[in-house]
Amino acid sequence: DAGVIQSPRHEVTEMGQEVTLRCKPISGHNSLFWYRQTMMRGLELLIYFNNNVPIDDSGMPEDRFSAKMPNASFSTLKIQPSEPRDSAVYFCASSLQPRFGQQSSYNSPLHFGNGTRLTVT
Amino acid sequence: EDQVTQSPEALRLQEGESSSLNCSYTVSGLRGLFWYRQDPGKGPEFLFTLYSAGEEKEKERLKATLTKKESFLHITAPKPEDSATYLCAVQATGRRALTFGSGTRLQVQP
Repeated sequence: DAGVIQSPRHEVTEMGQEVTLRCKPISGHNSLFWYRQTMMRGLELLIYFNNNVPIDDSGMPEDRFSAKMPNASFSTLKIQPSEPRDSAVYFCASSLQPRFGQQSSYNSPLHFGNGTRLTVT
Repeated sequence: EDQVTQSPEALRLQEGESSSLNCSYTVSGLRGLFWYRQDPGKGPEFLFTLYSAGEEKEKERLKATLTKKESFLHITAPKPEDSATYLCAVQATGRRALTFGSGTRLQVQP
């Protein structure tokens, strides 16, 4: 299995520009997560999807951030307009989770991609 | 609100010098506690899941343990290749996402 694939690996852009980060989850996984990592705040959850539906977007900083998952094999995180404080490493992760309300002793861990390092100047 | 605190922030060991990393957590109901390893420029790599107090998991030189308030990652006779940042995370009952601690940067010198 190729694992979670993110692109691009690095992105350098100017303030005010639109940035789109892409993620291909592991085939068969039904949950997808976007995290952001900075030295100051560590790993923070931005949003997660279950069966392509956004479940919790309370971590999305503001309206400049948006995420979509049009199908089970692709997700995007868009920042428009970008600001210098958005500079961070953005990680996508996927997992196989039991259905809500379904008891399961097995808890699939999150599998992370190698991230996109975003620099906004 | 779920909280995870890891200590120490950084740890430098000599090769073969055993030690432990601590992860203290506060969560409304624990569904699972996870340990990850992160190398520079890479995403976190899954190591262990612990579900209940008293549980232990082992993998090579690493052993993770869990109590009702904290987890320890014991490193026995570490090697330089064990150098990495070790992250602890909790998953609360009813939630899918993980809440992460800030990590412990481990450096093992030959």
